[in-house]
Amino acid sequence: EAGVAQSPRYKIIEKRQSVAFWCNPISGHATLYWYQQILGQGPKLLIQFQNNGVVDDSQLPKDRFSAERLKGVDSTLKIQPAKLEDSAVYLCASSQGNTGELFFGEGSRLTVL
Amino acid sequence: GEDVEQSLFLSVREGDSSVINCTYTDSSSTYLYWYKQEPGAGLQLLTYIFSNMDMKQDQRLTVLLNKKDKHLSLRIADTQTGDSAIYFCVSKRNTGKLIFGQGTTLQVKP
Repeated sequence: EAGVAQSPRYKIIEKRQSVAFWCNPISGHATLYWYQQILGQGPKLLIQFQNNGVVDDSQLPKDRFSAERLKGVDSTLKIQPAKLEDSAVYLCASSQGNTGELFFGEGSRLTVL
Repeated sequence: GEDVEQSLFLSVREGDSSVINCTYTDSSSTYLYWYKQEPGAGLQLLTYIFSNMDMKQDQRLTVLLNKKDKHLSLRIADTQTGDSAIYFCVSKRNTGKLIFGQGTTLQVKP
C-alpha cells in the first residue's frame, strides 16, 4: 500500500515570496491533516479536512496560509507571502477510522531567507 | 489548556531499559499515543492506549497510564541503537483533535 506522498521535499524561498505544497493521502482515507513542525517542537495542526470539507482551521494563519482539497483526495497548502517564521517542516497526514492513527508523509522542509 | 509536556532528552546504553514520561492537562483525552520520528522521516505510530486502560504491553514496549495524575509513560525494554529517535506523546481530545508534546530525543549509546 502506498503511503502519504508529499512534494516538494525541500524548498528555499525569500521572504514575501509564495510557495505551495502538495499532498496525496493514502487511498480511501477520508481525513487529511496539515501540520507545521518548527525545529525542536511537536507538530501543530494547521488544518483538518474531512473529505473536501474543513473540520478545523482554527490555527491556520488565514491572512497568509490557504489550503484546499477540492475533490476530497489530494490537497495543496499555500503560503503567500512567506515570513521568516514560516521556516518549518510541513507534514501531511491522513487517517481512516476511530482509533486516530495518523499516517504521515515525510514532510516538506521550507526555509525562508 | 491543551498542554502535553515531555522531557526533551534521554540517553541510555544499548541493552538498558528506556522510560519516557509525559504529562497532559486535558482530562477529556480519549486516546493517548506514542509516535516515533526518525531523522528525515515522517512520524510513525508506535503504540496507543485507551483512556480507560492503565497498561498496555506490546513486545518490548510497555505503556503505563495514570489517569488520576494525567501521566503517561513509555518503557522500551532492551533498548537498541535503532530505537534512537524522537518520541512524541500525543493526546486525543473528545473533539477528535490531537495535541502533540514537544518530543523526547532518545539517544542510545553502544
